[in-house]
Amino acid sequence: AQSVAQPEDQVNVAEGNPLTVKCTYSVSGNPYLFWYVQYPNRGLQFLLKYITGDNLVKGSYGFEAEFNKSQTSFHLKKPSALVSDSALYFCAVPFYSGNTPLVFGKGTRLSVIA
Amino acid sequence: DGGITQSPKYLFRKEGQNVTLSCEQNLNHDAMYWYRQDPGQGLRLIYYSQIVNDFQKGDIAEGYSVSREKKESFPLTVTSAQKNPTAFYLCASKIASGNEQFFGPGTRLTVL
Repeated sequence: AQSVAQPEDQVNVAEGNPLTVKCTYSVSGNPYLFWYVQYPNRGLQFLLKYITGDNLVKGSYGFEAEFNKSQTSFHLKKPSALVSDSALYFCAVPFYSGNTPLVFGKGTRLSVIA
Repeated sequence: DGGITQSPKYLFRKEGQNVTLSCEQNLNHDAMYWYRQDPGQGLRLIYYSQIVNDFQKGDIAEGYSVSREKKESFPLTVTSAQKNPTAFYLCASKIASGNEQFFGPGTRLTVL
């Protein structure tokens, strides 16, 4: 089975500073990778995905993620953090292949401080 | 959350009672999923269904049951056999050929 890991439970960043939320993956073959965001007491919202192509993937709300095959990482980034970016972020990968359920990391709580 | 509805938003249950959580989607998606979310544990897969009248167990299916009689509906029953049911339950769906899942707003179940 494929898996992802999010090494940080919490990330704190000042408003206006760049942010990075880390994710590493373990897959067989070419990876399909996803980022989701969850605001309190809400469902998950899809941010972006990597299937193939450019290593830098752009997504919703100004977020982007960098796929790094040699480091097996797919870190989420944003050049300038907003207080409204404060939320819980999940990295995900299909359990076996593209058409199987997603397996999620444990989540990273991002706090952007004004 | 658009297109996937879950009800109720909050649900309270006494120990020993079965309860059913509703999940409906109007996106014409083929596959539907139920996840459980506990603090610090991320999302864990309970059951999923790729087509009508067929479903498979996920990682934590014990104490839960589902049905998929219609394409748009995938209700989850939390039975009295589930020893620790207090959690946030999320339903998701996707098209057969797609990759990303789309999530409903969730149901928070509390056992009193």
